[in-house]
Amino acid sequence: SSELTQDPAVSVALRQTVRITCQGDSLTYYYAIWYQQKPGQAPIVVIYGKNNRPFGIPDRFSGYTSGNTASLTITGAQAEDEADYYCASRDSSGNHWMFGGGTKLTVL
Amino acid sequence: QVQLVESGGGVVRPGRSLRLSCAASGFTFESHGLHWVRQAPGKGLEWVAVIWYDGSIQYYGDSVKGRFTISRDNFKNMLYLQLNSLRAEDTAVYYCARDHLYDNSWRLIDYWGQGTLVTVSS
Repeated sequence: SSELTQDPAVSVALRQTVRITCQGDSLTYYYAIWYQQKPGQAPIVVIYGKNNRPFGIPDRFSGYTSGNTASLTITGAQAEDEADYYCASRDSSGNHWMFGGGTKLTVL
Repeated sequence: QVQLVESGGGVVRPGRSLRLSCAASGFTFESHGLHWVRQAPGKGLEWVAVIWYDGSIQYYGDSVKGRFTISRDNFKNMLYLQLNSLRAEDTAVYYCARDHLYDNSWRLIDYWGQGTLVTVSS
């Protein structure tokens, strides 16, 4: 299918571990990119490729892909990690891009 | 540092047109593809269009194909989006974003501007 599916909302207790998933056929061809978006701000990349973090992203963020499912894991979630998280990928043609519907992460 | 600054948003009547601009700086503009991505109020991200580094190729999302046109000026370091036949459902914040090639063959939408709001309303 030409779409990426995410759970709408996930919650995690402070300093616990949470996994956010993204499912789609294109993920068997292309790695997901994970974005964090806080209210009123533009998205920023937190994970890309096999498991790459841009400069400045804490190492508590990690990524993993198995088959058609990509996962973003936050190990030891902090209050500042509360945000919307989006996965993105190229479609099977490689010419178009698509985003998952987003997962709202609440840190309790 | 990479900077992308959008402008041109505003309130427009259904059926009318608008042109968005994005001024880029802090990187080699002519070496990167560029995207427009939009976000309706309270909703998720929707990919709109991409243009190749040299402007030779463009691709569009299904919801805007035939109505929107992406273009660029590599002499002015500017990206544009022409929005025609606007509809209420086109109301969104429009972001320009940079395409980045890494590890020789993988691509990434990395840097984003702060966005410009387009409101389509009668």
